Amino acid sequence: DGGITQSPKYLFRKEGQNVTLSCEQNLNHDAMYWYRQDPGQGLRLIYYSQIVNDFQKGDIAEGYSVSREKKESFPLTVTSAQKNPTAFYLCASTPLGASGSSDTQYFGPGTRLTVL
Amino acid sequence: AQKITQTQPGMFVQEKEAVTLDCTYDTSDQSYGLFWYKQPSSGEMIFLIYQGSYDEQNATEGRYSLNFQKARKSANLVISASQLGDSAMYFCAMRGHYNFNKFYFGSGTKLNVKP
Repeated sequence: DGGITQSPKYLFRKEGQNVTLSCEQNLNHDAMYWYRQDPGQGLRLIYYSQIVNDFQKGDIAEGYSVSREKKESFPLTVTSAQKNPTAFYLCASTPLGASGSSDTQYFGPGTRLTVL
Repeated sequence: AQKITQTQPGMFVQEKEAVTLDCTYDTSDQSYGLFWYKQPSSGEMIFLIYQGSYDEQNATEGRYSLNFQKARKSANLVISASQLGDSAMYFCAMRGHYNFNKFYFGSGTKLNVKP
């Protein structure tokens, strides 16, 4: 079955540590995204990528880094510079589309990160 | 600038009744797409319905319909015959023309269906 996988489902981190969240898709989508969601809030865009080896900052990129070495993979690293990283992280993908495209984003199941 | 506004942080509806979730958007693009997603407490995001800016008919998908009023820049989601399983967060989103692979999300509406 095609879809997006994220691992781990739950992640605990000590302050000052970097952690990497995995996101893999087998939908052959070009565009991939990382969102952060705080409790009871909406989605905020961290980074997105439209093509391998290229990515753009979203609205809250500070303290995060990404790579896109393969089309299928878009890992997110939460660095020690991110002061309040406890949140729910969602990865998504979509085909590259024309303006107003009906192609929806497909989402992974998410990773809940807690800083101890 | 692209912006999505959902003004109802939380709503209650009686089971089997219809409910409307509000969404307004701001864009200068002529071509754009509007999406609604459901997020249960498990956290997954489920695509519900899509409306294109040039679509003349309101979109419908089963019990979901989208009340699209282009001049008012509103795209309200209507859920008919509410079920207990409809209790969730609902997000409105837009995919615009410029930088068209970027999606803009509203802050969401928490819907509670009462038995």
